[in-house]
Amino acid sequence: GAGVSQSPRYKVAKRGQDVALRCDPISGHVSLFWYQQALGQGPEFLTYFQNEAQLDKSGLPSDRFFAERPEGSVSTLKIQRTQQEDSAVYLCASSPFPGQLLYGYTFGSGTRLTVV
Amino acid sequence: AQSVAQPEDQVNVAEGNPLTVKCTYSVSGNPYLFWYVQYPNRGLQFLLKYITGDNLVKGSYGFEAEFNKSQTSFHLKKPSALVSDSALYFCAVRDGENRDDKIIFGKGTRLHILP
Repeated sequence: GAGVSQSPRYKVAKRGQDVALRCDPISGHVSLFWYQQALGQGPEFLTYFQNEAQLDKSGLPSDRFFAERPEGSVSTLKIQRTQQEDSAVYLCASSPFPGQLLYGYTFGSGTRLTVV
Repeated sequence: AQSVAQPEDQVNVAEGNPLTVKCTYSVSGNPYLFWYVQYPNRGLQFLLKYITGDNLVKGSYGFEAEFNKSQTSFHLKKPSALVSDSALYFCAVRDGENRDDKIIFGKGTRLHILP
């Protein structure tokens, strides 16, 4: 596709429920990133893939968060046993180059997760 | 660790006037600085970057930013504001000089351009 596509656009989860958020990067893009944006805050780094390799997962807030990109294309961010503090917009971005943001990412519109 | 600060939560500017959105940074080593814009219900969009070279960096939509090493600032500017520039603006810095170092964003500044 022409841009980074994220689905679902909105997700409401009951506390304790597991969720899976999908990111379709721009075709051929090497690098893929996940960010978490809480209300009124800037995006915070979660994790970074180069092709299928997860090179940095230092931003994942707990072991309830898991991300994968098994074939180096589509990525899924999974959150187990969701908590209210997980409520945020989850942003995905991709880049044609390895490394973080030397040339600027292309971001998706995000998935807004609300945990009730 | 590297960081950026955006001291203004909101900036109001009349259409046609020059605008400035402030950003200061704290880094050890050479700074890699960026500006992004976020329009409602749309993804973050890259505006410009500073890595090395001229202190005045030109970017998308007529925006530019001035890198000032002595003041550790990287303010975003535009000579004549448009109503369509109203959005949320984020300053960002790379957390280190390695290619795979992550990007750290500021909290954002909401820009209102008044018709």
